[in-house]
Amino acid sequence: GAVVSQHPSWVICKSGTSVKIECRSLDFQATTMFWYRQFPKQSLMLMATSNEGSKATYEQGVEKDKFLINHASLTLSTLTVTSAHPEDSSFYICSAWGSSSYNEQFFGPGTRLTVL
Amino acid sequence: RKEVEQDPGPFNVPEGATVAFNCTYSNSASQSFFWYRQDCRKEPKLLMSVYSSGNEDGRFTAQLNRASQYISLLIRDSKLSDSATYLCVVGRGTGNMLTFGGGTRLMVKP
Repeated sequence: GAVVSQHPSWVICKSGTSVKIECRSLDFQATTMFWYRQFPKQSLMLMATSNEGSKATYEQGVEKDKFLINHASLTLSTLTVTSAHPEDSSFYICSAWGSSSYNEQFFGPGTRLTVL
Repeated sequence: RKEVEQDPGPFNVPEGATVAFNCTYSNSASQSFFWYRQDCRKEPKLLMSVYSSGNEDGRFTAQLNRASQYISLLIRDSKLSDSATYLCVVGRGTGNMLTFGGGTRLMVKP
């Protein structure tokens, strides 16, 4: 399957700082990238869908001004958690989909964010 | 009501046992169906797609009933390495937007 990377794999930051997470598709062009969040003992919840060159579409309850998503190229999407607070601590996972992917989304390894 | 519902478990089974997981989904517009496996603190990994005709991959058999909006996964001859959380996932739309069930935790014991 295709390879999707995320960076960083884990980050610890102080409350009030901003954190940027990168998601890259390494061997295919990702028309669409998805950002998910997973709290402990819960399943993945879709936060937003981003198409290359377009504004992201956010799921209900996800603040677009707090979670800034940029999908400037077919291989890179970034999620910036602005003014992070302890309740933002979670496992953030991206996935990528391209027209050559058929039905499959390819997931990155996730980024574990801890806000102190 | 959640869009994709699963029994959270945990299912504790001995090695060699057969175990079945069930899942229901509420959106009749769902077009694709999957089982994913997720290990602790890792990303989900695709286990298998699920088709209406049913499909098998080694010890794993998946079934889909579109009429009743029901998906199942059967694991035969359980191994210790099968211990994980199994996620029922449905997809729809351009880009195949995925909705995840809450997951069913399986623990296989010696």
